[in-house]
Amino acid sequence: DTGVSQDPRHKITKRGQNVTFRCDPISEHNRLYWYRQTLGQGPEFLTYFQNEAQLEKSRLLSDRFSAERPKGSFSTLEIQRTEQGDSAMYLCASSLDHSTDTQYFGPGTRLTVL
Amino acid sequence: KQEVTQIPAALSVPEGENLVLNCSFTDSAIYNLQWFRQDPGKGLTSLLLIQSSQREQTSGRLNASLDKSSGRSTLYIAASQPGDSATYLCAVRQRTNAGKSTFGDGTTLTVKP
Repeated sequence: DTGVSQDPRHKITKRGQNVTFRCDPISEHNRLYWYRQTLGQGPEFLTYFQNEAQLEKSRLLSDRFSAERPKGSFSTLEIQRTEQGDSAMYLCASSLDHSTDTQYFGPGTRLTVL
Repeated sequence: KQEVTQIPAALSVPEGENLVLNCSFTDSAIYNLQWFRQDPGKGLTSLLLIQSSQREQTSGRLNASLDKSSGRSTLYIAASQPGDSATYLCAVRQRTNAGKSTFGDGTTLTVKP
């Protein structure tokens, strides 16, 4: 399968702990996106990369959140000092190097903060 | 700021019925509009993408239309089946910020056998 993959699929953590998620995009895709989705809502944009450059960050991405894509391939999203409000599904998507291209989503990482 | 609205929030129909899902957006300066399907607890599956210069796209029993000037898109599903039961989301990508897609909250469709 050559789709977008995310790891882990589920993460349960205690408030105050740090967590890191990984996304592997489709191999030839230059653009990579992170979204957050809570129950009953549509995904909310967090940030996106073109190759290794992080081109935009949403205001939703507080100082506790950081994302990297060091070699323009996989990406990581880290949340420091997690809070209960961080509980959500974190979705990754990728697309070719065109703004008009279809975004392909991974299965998501479900985070539960106790 | 772009806002995307999907009405109704939920829809229940008997198997075999044709149906229309609606998506409206406030800023017509878009690159494209994409329809997705999401099954419970899963990621999003792309159904159709319509570029701003296009009026409609078709795939199998699905047909999506776009009226940019009025800020509306519809997803038509013909001869619905129980396997079509899912949440359908639309997302628009802006010309002013092509990296970001703004999503609606979706319409949850239930097709009864």
